[in-house]
Amino acid sequence: KNEVEQSPQNLTAQEGEFITINCSYSVGISALHWLQQHPGGGIVSLFMLSSGKKKHGRLIATINIQEKHSSLHITASHPRDSAVYICAVSGGGADGLTFGKGTHLIIQP
Amino acid sequence: DTAVSQTPKYLVTQMGNDKSIKCEQNLGHDTMYWYKQDSKKFLKIMFSYNNKELIINETVPNRFSPKSPDKAHLNLHINSLELGDSAVYFCASSQDGGAWWEQYFGPGTRLTVT
Repeated sequence: KNEVEQSPQNLTAQEGEFITINCSYSVGISALHWLQQHPGGGIVSLFMLSSGKKKHGRLIATINIQEKHSSLHITASHPRDSAVYICAVSGGGADGLTFGKGTHLIIQP
Repeated sequence: DTAVSQTPKYLVTQMGNDKSIKCEQNLGHDTMYWYKQDSKKFLKIMFSYNNKELIINETVPNRFSPKSPDKAHLNLHINSLELGDSAVYFCASSQDGGAWWEQYFGPGTRLTVT
């Protein structure tokens, strides 16, 4: 069974700062997902990756398969980025995702 | 046009009752999931289902049962509700059951058992 650890648990930063959220997992995976949960509760998939790096706008996700580690970066952070960011892994097959406990991010103006 | 929808959004009921939460996806996906988010906001897989195969998380009590009338629907039926069942339940879907597909989540159903 995979264990997914995220850090930090809580992060408060000023608008414009560069944000990094880390995720590590214990067992080899097929894919890693970064999700965003807004205060309203909805969950949105940001990235799914199995190697290397992906970029969407100001968000960048990287993964190192050998080290079993992924990072989510936000450049030029904005108050609207305030949300819970959740790392999740899938091992293959239809057995769903295993989640980290999330990182609660607050960006202050 | 909502991709994954759930009803109801809120459900308040008493201990011992039986209730259902409905989920529908209009994405043409083959696999659907139910997740539970507890009071500490921790998400956990309950079931995944892709028409041919039902995978159950072993920690899910057998009071919970998924029912799929067709590929676009996966409803969650809960018998004999307990206080500990209070949580937010999310339905999700993906194109296939493999690890390589993005999952799309419904808006969640907040269940409160009194």
